[in-house]
Amino acid sequence: GAVVSQHPSRVICKSGTSVKIECRSLDFQATTMFWYRQFPKQSLMLMATSNEGSKATYEQGVEKDKFLINHASLTLSTLTVTSAHPEDSSFYICSASKGAAYNEQFFGPGTRLTVL
Amino acid sequence: AQSVAQPEDQVNVAEGNPLTVKCTYSVSGNPYLFWYVQYPNRGLQFLLKYITGDNLVKGSYGFEAEFNKSQTSFHLKKPSALVSDSALYFCAVRGTAGSGNTGKLIFGQGTTLQVKP
Repeated sequence: GAVVSQHPSRVICKSGTSVKIECRSLDFQATTMFWYRQFPKQSLMLMATSNEGSKATYEQGVEKDKFLINHASLTLSTLTVTSAHPEDSSFYICSASKGAAYNEQFFGPGTRLTVL
Repeated sequence: AQSVAQPEDQVNVAEGNPLTVKCTYSVSGNPYLFWYVQYPNRGLQFLLKYITGDNLVKGSYGFEAEFNKSQTSFHLKKPSALVSDSALYFCAVRGTAGSGNTGKLIFGQGTTLQVKP
């Protein structure tokens, strides 16, 4: 199989704090990982693409200093939401790809972030 | 530019009846097409993909999809719907990078499938 996990599944934090979300590929090496954001009953919006050992590529309109992405190994990527505010509350989903552009992405279960 | 359209926000079907969830796409060159399903508060689960070859693609849970190049469509189908199929379905397309394509996976807006007993 191709299993991707995310931790935590749900987090509630106070405004101004930072939150780290982990994304792990459990049984394969992910050369590329993706971070998406999903608002209720809406589609997934790609935030950034990360390749192991290099800087993430952010989509237009996504603040790289606010959403810090680290892809330190072939099985782990982290997203840190810095100085979180209520408008950052959302469902964050990561995915991992085994490599070739036409390969499907395997998605994590998502992390529900609520900023009070 | 590449794009995906799912024209129906919701599809309602009775259990046991066939279902179709529509998807059309726009991409330069040959498309890579995917269907995913999402249950409440969960991530996306892969159903099936079209890369090349036979236009009729069979996937998980009895779903299938037909690639129609002339109509630029990739509709998801199932001969007999189950109540447990009720979920949010996303169509996605990826075009080869270049010629107006980003090389990234672009999702449709999603279609809620409601199967009633």
